[in-house]
Amino acid sequence: EVVLTQSPGTLSLSPGERAALSCRATQSVSSSYLAWYQQKPGQAPRLLIYGASRRATGIPDRFSGSGSGTDFTLTISRLEPEDFAVYYCQQYSSSPTPAWTFGQGTKVEI
Amino acid sequence: QLQLQESGPGLVKPSETLSLTCTVSGGSITTTGYYWGWIRQPPGKGLEWIGVIYYSGTTYYSPSLKSRVTISVDTSKNQFSLNLNSVTAADTAVYYCARHVIGPYSSATDQWGQGTLVTVSS
Repeated sequence: EVVLTQSPGTLSLSPGERAALSCRATQSVSSSYLAWYQQKPGQAPRLLIYGASRRATGIPDRFSGSGSGTDFTLTISRLEPEDFAVYYCQQYSSSPTPAWTFGQGTKVEI
Repeated sequence: QLQLQESGPGLVKPSETLSLTCTVSGGSITTTGYYWGWIRQPPGKGLEWIGVIYYSGTTYYSPSLKSRVTISVDTSKNQFSLNLNSVTAADTAVYYCARHVIGPYSSATDQWGQGTLVTVSS
C-alpha cells in the first residue's frame, strides 16, 4: 500500500505570500493519479488539482501542481484570505487491487 | 448539477453495524467511468478512504477495513450504501459519499456529499 506523507504539518503565512506544500510517496506514483484537495472547516473537501498538475474546473490559476515519481508539490502563488485551509494529497493505484489513499494533510494558517 | 446526499443514523452502539445510504441526484449512477464510494474523517483528523463500488456491483475496499465493510448499489433508486460492522469508538467520524473518476490519464474524487457525523457510543 502506498503511504503519502505531507509536509509541513502546518504552514504559517500571510496573505500575498507563496505557499509550497509537499507530498511524498513511499513508492512511485503515476502522475496521472495524484490529486490535491482543499478542505475548510465544516465543509467537504474540494478537488483542486488532478493528474498532478491539471486544475479542476473553476480553480484559480494561483493554484498549481507539479512533481513526479515520489515527490509532488502544490503551490499557491499568492495566498488569498480564502486559501487558509487544510490541503490533502491523494493517490490512486491499481495494484495489487484498486485503492486510493490520502496524505495526512497540511494546514495553511495565518 | 450532480448532488450526493448521505442519510442514516447519527448514533450507533458499539459492536453494532453502521449503515449509511448515499442518494445521487442530477445524474445517473450507471454512467460509465465513475465509481461511487465512501470516505471518512474522524473529528479533528485526516481523510480515510473506505471503498468504492461500480454500478455493475464491482467493489474495492481499503485493506485496513476490508474485513468489516460492505458497499452495495441500488441502480433503480440511484443509491449506494455502506455497511460497517462491529463498530467501536474509533469508527466515530464524518462519513462522506463521493464520486471517483478513473480514466487512462487521471483519477480524482470530484464530487462529494456534505458529510454526516456518525458517533459510536452506548
